[in-house]
Amino acid sequence: GENVEQHPSTLSVQEGDSAVIKCTYSDSASNYFPWYKQELGKRPQLIIDIRSNVGEKKDQRIAVTLNKTAKHFSLHITETQPEDSAVYFCAGTDTGNQFYFGTGTSLTVIP
Amino acid sequence: ETGVTQTPRHLVMGMTNKKSLKCEQHLGHNAMYWYKQSAKKPLELMFVYNFKEQTENNSVPSRFSPECPNSSHLFLHLHTLQPEDSALYLCASSQGNTGGDEQFFGPGTRLTVL
Repeated sequence: GENVEQHPSTLSVQEGDSAVIKCTYSDSASNYFPWYKQELGKRPQLIIDIRSNVGEKKDQRIAVTLNKTAKHFSLHITETQPEDSAVYFCAGTDTGNQFYFGTGTSLTVIP
Repeated sequence: ETGVTQTPRHLVMGMTNKKSLKCEQHLGHNAMYWYKQSAKKPLELMFVYNFKEQTENNSVPSRFSPECPNSSHLFLHLHTLQPEDSALYLCASSQGNTGGDEQFFGPGTRLTVL
């Protein structure tokens, strides 16, 4: 099955700086890569996703890049704000319904 | 925020108790999921139902028993649990027609096994 690894496990940045979270996957058949944000005490919510037919996707301050050859994808948050503080999970999946999640990155944005 | 609901939100039970977790989705989805979320571990998929049929069972102990009476409701029946089963149990749903659909999560049930 798929194995998704996520780094770093914790990340602290100053407000206004950028944050980058990286994930690698093992199954070359994986073709959908969502990123979820989970604030303390709340449910995970999708913030951005990318499919294997594109290399980059951007939504305001959030972007995701995908390198299929190297089997890694990254989340980029620019101009970070305190409300970006949360745990971020990457995931990968093939055409099935099973998501393989990374272990999560706890992001703290310091005002 | 009300697309996927879960009850109860908190549950404390002894190892000999029997209890059930309930999940309901109001999104017209066809696939529903149970996940276990423990501290410092990835979200662990437990069960998948697609069009009411169980399609995944990731080596989950038999003390966890899922039930999906229709595409809007999902239950997780619990009996003779262990303290290490204490965790946040999340339900999710998705379109289910093909893979690669956004999964919408419920608020979770915080389970404590004494």
